[in-house]
Amino acid sequence: ETGVTQSPTHLIKTRGQQVTLRCSSQSGHNTVSWYQQALGQGPQFIFQYYREEENGRGNFPPRFSGLQFPNYSSELNVNALELDDSALYLCASSFSRELAKNIQYFGAGTRLSVL
Amino acid sequence: DQQVKQNSPSLSVQEGRISILNCDYTNSMFDYFLWYKKYPAEGPTFLISISSIKDKNEDGRFTVFLNKSAKHLSLHIVPSQPGDSAVYFCAASALPYGGSQGNLIFGKGTKLSVKP
Repeated sequence: ETGVTQSPTHLIKTRGQQVTLRCSSQSGHNTVSWYQQALGQGPQFIFQYYREEENGRGNFPPRFSGLQFPNYSSELNVNALELDDSALYLCASSFSRELAKNIQYFGAGTRLSVL
Repeated sequence: DQQVKQNSPSLSVQEGRISILNCDYTNSMFDYFLWYKKYPAEGPTFLISISSIKDKNEDGRFTVFLNKSAKHLSLHIVPSQPGDSAVYFCAASALPYGGSQGNLIFGKGTKLSVKP
């Protein structure tokens, strides 16, 4: 039990639609990172939020956006869904932006299928 | 281009024996390495880490070895237990930790099966 919860657990969308995934971090964690894990791959960094501002971004297009709220919850929004967006989306929270030196606590993920 | 490579998709070991999971990296700027374990339907869980100023870090049954010249690290589990059966991810990071440049780069994972 990591204290990080994600909703929904599974989601099916069609190409071109928009989706919002939600994450509730551990209390006191000021940093949240989102990852995309395609089948047979490791998690790939999408972006990080620190104190409600985007603190860094991986190689993902602008149609991937996020929000972090003061109550330790956050959202990942994806517009104009493409088939390749089908993946497991993981949220991870930590006490610090220094991801390497501070343990990230992952949620169980949201499995998104785009048809 | 994969910067962190786990070339063995799977590994099967007998209970009580040693499990050795390997990881190679290409980016010489990486200086912090982590191992995460993932059970089905759960998120990855932090296992152990090592800084590049060390060549070994031990935590109970788990030991990580780092060979900087070979850009290689390995995770040893001794003795292996059936509960260790999971997917193990190697991850690396470079300074500055965090943000776009310092985020974690994960390998594809190795599925470990420990048989009773």
